[in-house]
Parts: sequence; structure tokens; C-alpha cells
Amino acid sequence: EAGVTQFPSHSVIEKGQTVTLRCDPISGHDNLYWYRRVMGKEIKFLLHFVKESKQDESGMPNNRFLAERTGGTYSTLKVQPAELEDSGVYFCASSQDLGASGAELFFGSGTQLSVL
Amino acid sequence: RKEVEQDPGPFNVPEGATVAFNCTYSNSASQSFFWYRQDCRKEPKLLMSVYSSGNEDGRFTAQLNRASQYISLLIRDSKLSDSATYLCVVAEAGGKLIFGQGTELSVKP
Repeated sequence: EAGVTQFPSHSVIEKGQTVTLRCDPISGHDNLYWYRRVMGKEIKFLLHFVKESKQDESGMPNNRFLAERTGGTYSTLKVQPAELEDSGVYFCASSQDLGASGAELFFGSGTQLSVL
Repeated sequence: RKEVEQDPGPFNVPEGATVAFNCTYSNSASQSFFWYRQDCRKEPKLLMSVYSSGNEDGRFTAQLNRASQYISLLIRDSKLSDSATYLCVVAEAGGKLIFGQGTELSVKP
């Protein structure tokens, strides 16, 4: 069974440009999460989808970040316009049990974003 | 104050050593607790859940003290392959995970 896949694995862009990250969760997983790790800091929650609905977007840094999950399958995270402080590793994770806080999250290998 | 705080690393230990990691969390309403392992340039992977009664998985033992809001991980007879960053993770309602900064472990021959 395929795990959580993320694309691209690396992205290097200039400040002011737009980047779109994609995440394909494990098939059948209703819960999809985005997390981010900036250099020297802990991994931080960005948002949580249950199917196509945003359950919790309290971690989104600002309105330059837009996440979508049309149809409740894959998700995209767009950063527009990108700033230097957006650099970091963006992880996507999915889990099966709806609302179960004890459910294991499976992480993708992440997208390394570098904004120059 | 960080929501989840861990021992600063790195921990450099010889093979066969026993090593302990500690972690505290600030939200008393936190629901679930985990240790994740992250290898260099890889994604975090669940190592084990942590229960109030304490739980063991081979050489790994995890403990939770809800009154003190304290979590621990003990690794016995450490192997070279245990070298990684160990992340203390707390889950809130709805599955949102709060990560500690991680403690790097390096096991040397």
C-alpha cells in the first residue's frame, strides 16, 4: 500500500513567487494534516482537514497560505507570495480514524522549501 | 514557554548504554502522548504511544505521569541503529499533534 506522498520533494523559489505543494494521503484516510518545520524550531501544526472540510486551521501563519482539499482526496498548500521566513520542511500526514486523537498519523517525506 | 519541552541534546552514548529522554507538556487537557523517531532528512515515524500505566516495546520503555505532565523514554542496550532524533509528541482533541523540538541521539561503536 502506498504511503503519504508529497510533491515536489524540493522547491527553490525567489521571494515574491508562488509555490504549490501537493499531498496525496493514504487511500481511505479522511484526516489530512499539514505541518511545517522551520530551521532550528519544532515541527508545528498548520491545519487539519476532515475529508474536504477544514477542521482546524489555527496554525496557518497568515493569509499568504491557502490550503485546499477538493473532493476530499489530495490536498494542496499554496504560498503566495512567498517570503524568506516561509523556508522550511512542509510535512503532510494522514490518519484513518475520524476525530480519534489516538490514531496514528502517517507522515509523508516532506517538501523542502527554500525561498531566496 | 513551549507547549512541549524536551531535554536538549545531543546525547552521545556508546553501544549497549542505557539512555533516558525526558519531556514535559504544558496543556493539562492533552489527550494522547507519543514518542516519534525522525531519521536525518526523513519524516517522523511513530515509535510508540505512551500510557499512564507505562508501556514497553522490546528495549524501549515509555512512562507518563499526568499529575506532573511528564513523559519519559528509556532505551536499553542501545544500538547503532537507534541513532536518530526522538520527538516527544502530545495530541489534543481532533488529532492535532504538538511536537517537542526533539532530542538527538548518537550511538557510537
